[in-house]
Amino acid sequence: NAGVTQTPKFRVLKTGQSMTLLCAQDMNHEYMYWYRQDPGMGLRLIHYSVGEGTTAKGEVPDGYNVSRLKKQNFLLGLESAAPSQTSVYFCASSSAGGSYNEQFFGPGTRLTVL
Amino acid sequence: GQNIDQPTEMTATEGAIVQINCTYQTSGFNGLFWYQQHAGEAPTFLSYNVLDGLEEKGRFSSFLSRSKGYSYLLLKELQMKDSASYLCAVHPPDNRKLIWGLGTSLAVNP
Repeated sequence: NAGVTQTPKFRVLKTGQSMTLLCAQDMNHEYMYWYRQDPGMGLRLIHYSVGEGTTAKGEVPDGYNVSRLKKQNFLLGLESAAPSQTSVYFCASSSAGGSYNEQFFGPGTRLTVL
Repeated sequence: GQNIDQPTEMTATEGAIVQINCTYQTSGFNGLFWYQQHAGEAPTFLSYNVLDGLEEKGRFSSFLSRSKGYSYLLLKELQMKDSASYLCAVHPPDNRKLIWGLGTSLAVNP
């Protein structure tokens, strides 16, 4: 099992450019999450999904859109990148059942917006 | 409101014991997670506490007091590879989103 994978691993964008980050999980998890992590700010939830075809806003959703067309994939889009979106982006997934629903993280995408 | 507090940084010596504290004030509580995150890597699960008391897993133990809104992670026989950030996260009743602390950066010195 690959677990949670993210592509790309690194990306440099110019202000105003758009891009999509792809997250894939092979654990049949219902829940998926997109976080950003900045120095001194901890993990902040951007958007999340509790099932195929559903998405919801997290703590810092502005400037981002998401889609969950297939259960195993969760896409994060930046329509018009800004320098403030320079960050490390982590995708995570967890099951809906079970006792505590541990979140499993992907390796991260390091994004720089110039 | 939702609030989780952890010390920002800690330093300890190889072979020693260190305790990383986490206090929380949240509207609802199902349990508490500890994650470890090495520099440049993703967070990985360490422990989950739902009942009061101490849970031991090898060199790592985690303690919870629900009445005091308090948890700690205890690392024994510290090794250089334990240098990392340790994240505390509360599991709320809605079961979908975690509430994360900012993390404690632990440096283990020889």
